[in-house]
Amino acid sequence: NAGVTQTPKFQVLKTGQSMTLQCAQDMNHNSMYWYRQDPGMGLRLIYYSASEGTTDKGEVPNGYNVSRLNKREFSLRLESAAPSQTSVYFCASIQGGVANYGYTFGSGTRLTVV
Amino acid sequence: DAKTTQPPSMDCAEGRAANLPCNHSTISGNEYVYWYRQIHSQGPQYIIHGLKNNETNEMASLIITEDRKSSTLILPHATLRDTAVYYCISSPELTFGTGTRLQVTL
Repeated sequence: NAGVTQTPKFQVLKTGQSMTLQCAQDMNHNSMYWYRQDPGMGLRLIYYSASEGTTDKGEVPNGYNVSRLNKREFSLRLESAAPSQTSVYFCASIQGGVANYGYTFGSGTRLTVV
Repeated sequence: DAKTTQPPSMDCAEGRAANLPCNHSTISGNEYVYWYRQIHSQGPQYIIHGLKNNETNEMASLIITEDRKSSTLILPHATLRDTAVYYCISSPELTFGTGTRLQVTL
């Protein structure tokens, strides 16, 4: 099925460990995004990539890095995980342009940092 | 980005229409209004979007006021499966607030 695929679905890290969250879309979308969602909260933008080869900071970028590997893939890296980064991470993509049809979201990665 | 304001929660009886309001008084002329919903902890799902005219699709209807400062998402016959958090956002689509938690009851 076409869509956004995130891996892994669940992860537990110890404080200070590093990991990379993977995201891939097969819809030929130009723009990709990483959000985090804390319990009972809305989504907050971490980083986004408007097109292949570009990345920009969102609302909460500290502690994260991203790589737009190619048009399909956009990864999020935690270099030194902290308990405050315990959250659900969502990747999304969109074709771009004014009259588009909205984001397509992945099913999320549930990360716990202990 | 234009800021949107939504009530934190609403209830609706199954089979009745659910009308979810959203204020976006600072929206500019070329910004679209988008609605998404999030069921449990799944990824948000696109519902509908519009610029000036009212829109309808198989999921919902979107009514936008003439001055474009507010809109209403209408689920014409709400079911228990429509229980979710509904987000109203304006393009560019970068900011999600806390949305409206819709509870559909028997």
